[in-house]
Amino acid sequence: DADVTQTPRNRITKTGKRIMLECSQTKGHDRMYWYRQDPGLGLRLIYYSFDVKDINKGEISDGYSVSRQAQAKFSLSLESAIPNQTALYFCATSAPTGSGEPQHFGDGTRLSIL
Amino acid sequence: KQEVTQIPAALSVPEGENLVLNCSFTDSAIYNLQWFRQDPGKGLTSLLLIQSSQREQTSGRLNASLDKSSGRSTLYIAASQPGDSATYLCPRATSGSRLTFGEGTQLTVNP
Repeated sequence: DADVTQTPRNRITKTGKRIMLECSQTKGHDRMYWYRQDPGLGLRLIYYSFDVKDINKGEISDGYSVSRQAQAKFSLSLESAIPNQTALYFCATSAPTGSGEPQHFGDGTRLSIL
Repeated sequence: KQEVTQIPAALSVPEGENLVLNCSFTDSAIYNLQWFRQDPGKGLTSLLLIQSSQREQTSGRLNASLDKSSGRSTLYIAASQPGDSATYLCPRATSGSRLTFGEGTQLTVNP
């Protein structure tokens, strides 16, 4: 089984719909992240969480919200989807800085908003 | 503001060549620098991680170096193979293990 699992893998929906992307991990890491990837822009950080009670905005949080339901689960919501939120979304986990361990990424969710 | 720049943006080489991918970053206050590969439509696979106190890391045919003073990292791939074809990313980690990415180098190794 994958260390970081994202569901769904693909989603097509319409403008204005509410969407939730889910992420679960078996790494036992406290830190979890949501990134989006757009052609020509690389990956950008949306939100991150250092533990269950901690939520922080990243570079591009507008239009998104997150919930950290448990150490192993971190979900990303689009309250009212718009076409420019069409992108590839990645969830990642990490151990504390200095641990020498790389971040672990899920396989991504490809989201298309029509 | 592009904090991480990767050069070249794309590279096509014949199989067997040794090659170097370059990464530069504007802020030398990094905690570590990681090299990942990404296959089309896939997630990111970690290749090497260099802590800020280290200068290089090696794994098989891959060697990555880090020069914090000049804000540069290089990934050296020896004896390239078609299976090395992918996009290579070199995000730098700031506090909290947050990664800042450039656009990557798209590598094609031709048989």
